[in-house]
Amino acid sequence: GAVVSQHPSRVICKSGTSVKIECRSLDFQATTMFWYRQFPKKSLMLMATSNEGSKATYEQGVEKDKFLINHASLTLSTLTVTSAHPEDSSFYICSAGTATDTQYFGPGTRLTVL
Amino acid sequence: QQQVKQSPQSLIVQKGGISIINCAYENTAFDYFPWYQQFPGKGPALLIAIRPDVSEKKEGRFTISFNKSAKQFSLHIMDSQPGDSATYFCAVTIGNEKLTFGTGTRLTIIP
Repeated sequence: GAVVSQHPSRVICKSGTSVKIECRSLDFQATTMFWYRQFPKKSLMLMATSNEGSKATYEQGVEKDKFLINHASLTLSTLTVTSAHPEDSSFYICSAGTATDTQYFGPGTRLTVL
Repeated sequence: QQQVKQSPQSLIVQKGGISIINCAYENTAFDYFPWYQQFPGKGPALLIAIRPDVSEKKEGRFTISFNKSAKQFSLHIMDSQPGDSATYFCAVTIGNEKLTFGTGTRLTIIP
């Protein structure tokens, strides 16, 4: 199956700093990438959808100035959590979509904001 | 409004038994129904998926049953093994759009 990587897998930062998370599709080109947030023992909550070369579409309630998404190429999307605070601590997961509807998920990034 | 309802929330099955997880949806426009398996601290992995033109799909020990008229689909895990212990999510989508996930089922297989 298709492989999606995320980097870093785990990050701890101080409150007020910005953190960038990378999502890469390793062996296929993804026209669409998605960013999810998951709280412990909860389901995945879609944050935004990004298409290569265009602005991301954010879900209702997600602050676009807080969570900056860039989809620079067909294999790379980045999520930047700006001025992170403890309430931003979560498990962030990206997925990459193919033309056949299938979405392949990355391994996730555990963000802890102190 | 929850677009997809998943049950049960947790499930304990004896090794060798059949695990059954159910999902129900409202929007008849949904045309792709995947199931994902997630282990703690990992991203979800696609397990099996079905489209509404078939009523059943089987891949190894995993089977999806799809009931279009009832707007329900279920995951059956035959000969359940301890390694199947994980959280399972159903999802729905239209075309190549965003997935909407169920609330998840924590499956525990006991010896």
